[in-house]
Amino acid sequence: AQSVAQPEDQVNVAEGNPLTVKCTYSVSGNPYLFWYVQYPNRGLQFLLKYITGDNLVKGSYGFEAEFNKSQTSFHLKKPSALVSDSALYFCAVRDIKNTGFQKLVFGTGTRLLVSP
Amino acid sequence: DAGVTQSPTHLIKTRGQQVTLRCSPKSGHDTVSWYQQALGQGPQFIFQYYEEEERQRGNFPDRFSGHQFPNYSSELNVNALLLGDSALYLCASSLVAGGYTGELFFGEGSRLTVL
Repeated sequence: AQSVAQPEDQVNVAEGNPLTVKCTYSVSGNPYLFWYVQYPNRGLQFLLKYITGDNLVKGSYGFEAEFNKSQTSFHLKKPSALVSDSALYFCAVRDIKNTGFQKLVFGTGTRLLVSP
Repeated sequence: DAGVTQSPTHLIKTRGQQVTLRCSPKSGHDTVSWYQQALGQGPQFIFQYYEEEERQRGNFPDRFSGHQFPNYSSELNVNALLLGDSALYLCASSLVAGGYTGELFFGEGSRLTVL
């Protein structure tokens, strides 16, 4: 079964510093990987996705993610963190059935706290 | 362009009761998925509807059932509520055909509290 793991429950970073939120994956076949962000009492917002091609994927709000096949990782990065980036971040992987129907399988989430 | 809308936003029920949650997908989308997000957890897949049929289902008991209407909107029903059903229920929409790569568009969720 497709799965992702987010090894850190929380990441703390000072405003202006670079941030990394880690994700590793386990899939059969080619991975379709996603990052979503969730603000308090809100739904999930799409940040970016990796389907194929360039290993560095750029997304919304200045975020990017680096796909590394040899390390089976898909870490989320941002060069300079903002206080407003503080939220819950979820990594997800596509799981596709032989019927063609797809769903996303989410990790447990990483809380990002950016201090002023 | 309206995104995914869910109702109600919050509700409180007691054990044993039944609840119905509603979802309207993003304009142009034809597939609706439901997820349960318990406090401090990642979203867990409940089931998915396309063309008014349940297409796949996660590891949830039969107390969880759903429906999709001809206008693509959907309902999630939970019977015989348990305390453990307290969670944020998220609806997500997508387009099955036309280059769908798995990306989901989520609503704001319905927060269910079971007392």
